[in-house]
Amino acid sequence: KAGVTQTPRYLIKTRGQQVTLSCSPISGHRSVSWYQQTPGQGLQFLFEYFSETQRNKGNFPGRFSGRQFSNSRSEMNVSTLELGDSALYLCASSPYTGSLAKNIQYFGAGTRLSVL
Amino acid sequence: GIQVEQSPPDLILQEGANSTLRCNFSDSVNNLQWFHQNPWGQLINLFYIPSGTKQNGRLSATTVATERYSLLYISSSQTTDSGVYFCAAMYNNNDMRFGAGTRLTVKP
Repeated sequence: KAGVTQTPRYLIKTRGQQVTLSCSPISGHRSVSWYQQTPGQGLQFLFEYFSETQRNKGNFPGRFSGRQFSNSRSEMNVSTLELGDSALYLCASSPYTGSLAKNIQYFGAGTRLSVL
Repeated sequence: GIQVEQSPPDLILQEGANSTLRCNFSDSVNNLQWFHQNPWGQLINLFYIPSGTKQNGRLSATTVATERYSLLYISSSQTTDSGVYFCAAMYNNNDMRFGAGTRLTVKP
């Protein structure tokens, strides 16, 4: 079974631009979560989608948004990029059967975004 | 707020030594996982262990949910064990909170 696939792996943008990152979950997984990792703040939860609905959102500004498609693939978008948005963005999928206790997260390799 | 704390932040070992990494969490958890982040940034699942003890080769983990801590044991460490180890806890709101990680360096 293929793992979680994130594209692109690397991205360079300039301030003010916008960017879209993509995540394809493990086949059969319906929950997709996004995380940001920076040296200063560590790993922080961005949001989680299940059945095309955002169920939970972390403490990030509205410039960060996402969506999930009917095939469970997810995208996240960051508008009006700032230097501080430079980070590794990680996507995780989960089989989520309705029990939080079995919501095991499997991570992709990440997209490394550099904002110049 | 919800806290996940890991110790020690850094650990340097000689190859063949054993080590114990600790994760404390501030509230009851539904899910606790240990990960190893490889040099390319990917988080590799080590254990899903909300309670009890599990072993996988040279690695084992124990979570004592009532006392809100988890331990990751690495025995006979190898240079390939180097990297950052994270524990992460999931609470009722379905988002996963990560500790700051333990950076392990195993020297030959």
